[in-house]
Amino acid sequence: GQNIDQPTEMTATEGAIVQINCTYQTSGFNGLFWYQQHAGEAPTFLSYNVLDGLEEKGRFSSFLSRSKGYSYLLLKELQMKDSASYLCAVMDSNYQLIWGAGTKLIIKP
Amino acid sequence: GAVVSQHPSRVICKSGTSVKIECRSLDFQATTMFWYRQFPKKSLMLMATSNEGSKATYEQGVEKDKFLINHASLTLSTLTVTSAHPEDSSFYICSARETGDTEAFFGQGTRLTVV
Repeated sequence: GQNIDQPTEMTATEGAIVQINCTYQTSGFNGLFWYQQHAGEAPTFLSYNVLDGLEEKGRFSSFLSRSKGYSYLLLKELQMKDSASYLCAVMDSNYQLIWGAGTKLIIKP
Repeated sequence: GAVVSQHPSRVICKSGTSVKIECRSLDFQATTMFWYRQFPKKSLMLMATSNEGSKATYEQGVEKDKFLINHASLTLSTLTVTSAHPEDSSFYICSARETGDTEAFFGQGTRLTVV
């Protein structure tokens, strides 16, 4: 079966760094996405990785290791507005997105 | 990025009535559209995938006669919840993708409450 695992909830302090991990087992791989979702809103795109390595975009970075079926989203200089759910999604061989359950990130002052 | 407009953002309807939700791609041709349902504090659940001009492909467990999907043009897909019941209350989100693109763009979502 297809499976995406990520922690249910994480807590971090404003100004700090947090890493949200995602492991996956899917039928085929056409890229991995990270989305941010605030409560009651649709997800917004953060990053897309299809090759191994680190992609940096401002305060957010995303890493992928295809051989390990592993990705992480790194958030630096955390701000209160970063409190949200972070969804990991993998595009399988049929170009369908397989979604993780999301990680709720709580930022404390 | 590309813009997907979903309407309405919130709707309250009486049990037994039908509700139509629209999803429009404003600046690109959406050859594929996806409809998701999301329960509180849960991840997105794919309901169906529709390709322009053809019948939607429904995920297992999703009633095609209850959740009618029409994708008649390259910029518009609709989801109609027929004979709605309180258990259909949920957050429905569409996303759209252009041919050859891997990224799908999301609409704003529709909060449906059936009373």
